[in-house]
Amino acid sequence: SQTIHQWPATLVQPVGSPLSLECTVEGTSNPNLYWYRQAAGRGLQLLFYSVGIGQISSEVPQNLSASRPQDRQFILSSKKLLLSDSGFYLCAWSAGGKLFFGSGTQLSVL
Amino acid sequence: ILNVEQSPQSLHVQEGDSTNFTCSFPSSNFYALHWYRWETAKSPEALFVMTLNGDEKKKGRISATLNTKEGYSYLYIKGSQPEDSATYLCAFRSGAGSYQLTFGKGTKLSVIP
Repeated sequence: SQTIHQWPATLVQPVGSPLSLECTVEGTSNPNLYWYRQAAGRGLQLLFYSVGIGQISSEVPQNLSASRPQDRQFILSSKKLLLSDSGFYLCAWSAGGKLFFGSGTQLSVL
Repeated sequence: ILNVEQSPQSLHVQEGDSTNFTCSFPSSNFYALHWYRWETAKSPEALFVMTLNGDEKKKGRISATLNTKEGYSYLYIKGSQPEDSATYLCAFRSGAGSYQLTFGKGTKLSVIP
């Protein structure tokens, strides 16, 4: 069966520090992968999606970037975090028209 | 920018009561409407994916209806139980191209024992 791993679960970072969140999927090949964020008072917002290695599409202009160095690995990064980057980040993959989410990372930028 | 609205934002019901809430979405360029349940400290879990106008889906005590012409979907929970407490998200997908969902802010349901 397919599983999705996301880490860390929580992260507190100072403004201006770098960020790296990692997501891996097991039990499937060539999945579509997604990074979503839920900021305070807002719905889940799609940040990036990837249909294959090295293929990244960005949905909103922002301070973040994403990479897919391997088929089942999706990384969310920032060189310098902003206060507005705080939120709950979810990695997901899709199959059969549905999204399957990881457990999420609560990021607090102070 | 696509607008997906959910109401109410939150509600409290007594165990055993039935309840329902609403998701409204653009009525043009419809492809699919998703419902997810997000329990505290867990990952969002897919409940339904609905694609046809008039569609009805059911999973145990939870059911959903879809009206694509007027742009709304209802989620019903019959005989609410404490384990139904969660945030229920709907998400709208337009077009059959890249897989992009626009989520509402959710309805937070609390079932009081």
